[in-house]
Amino acid sequence: GNSVTQMEGPVTLSEEAFLTINCTYTATGYPSLFWYVQYPGEGLQLLLKATKADDKGSNKGFEATYRKETTSFHLEKGSVQVSDSAVYFCALSERDSGNTPLVFGKGTRLSVIA
Amino acid sequence: GAGVSQSPSNKVTEKGKDVELRCDPISGHTALYWYRQSLGQGLEFLIYFQGNSAPDKSGLPSDRFSAERTGGSVSTLTIQRTQQEDSAVYLCASSPQHAEGETQYFGPGTRLLVL
Repeated sequence: GNSVTQMEGPVTLSEEAFLTINCTYTATGYPSLFWYVQYPGEGLQLLLKATKADDKGSNKGFEATYRKETTSFHLEKGSVQVSDSAVYFCALSERDSGNTPLVFGKGTRLSVIA
Repeated sequence: GAGVSQSPSNKVTEKGKDVELRCDPISGHTALYWYRQSLGQGLEFLIYFQGNSAPDKSGLPSDRFSAERTGGSVSTLTIQRTQQEDSAVYLCASSPQHAEGETQYFGPGTRLLVL
């Protein structure tokens, strides 16, 4: 079945540091890929997505590129801020099957310190 | 416009009791999902509704769990004879159409604690 594996946290960085959160997936077809973020005390919200190979999703300074050859969708940000402290979830939904439920990774908690 | 809303925000119940959790999706969204977020299991899919089609129940963990969606809008997730392992945050999401890659919009969740 489909699955998502992301690096375990917690990740602690100083403000303005470079961030990478690794995410790899296993899928039988050609999925769409997502990063969702959960800020403290808030619900899940979409951060960015990519629907086909080589697409790059970007938002709020975060980027992730859909790499079919390595089945990866790593999240990066060049300079993190304290306000980026949150839990980040990589997820996929299966193409060719209509709208399917999301399959999530286990989440990576990021703490950014001033 | 209004986002996905869920009620109650918190629910404490005793083992063996039934609970009902409610989800109001974004108006006009035809797809509705229930997920469960627990410490040991991460985020798990439970059940999915698309328009008037039969729901996809493949994620329900046992027959104590059921859900309905009335009039293609509001949904209720019911857990019968609750067990302590049912303690989790139950998340509802909706999306505007039956299309792969469509963003799902999540509600704030209902935190369920079974004593």
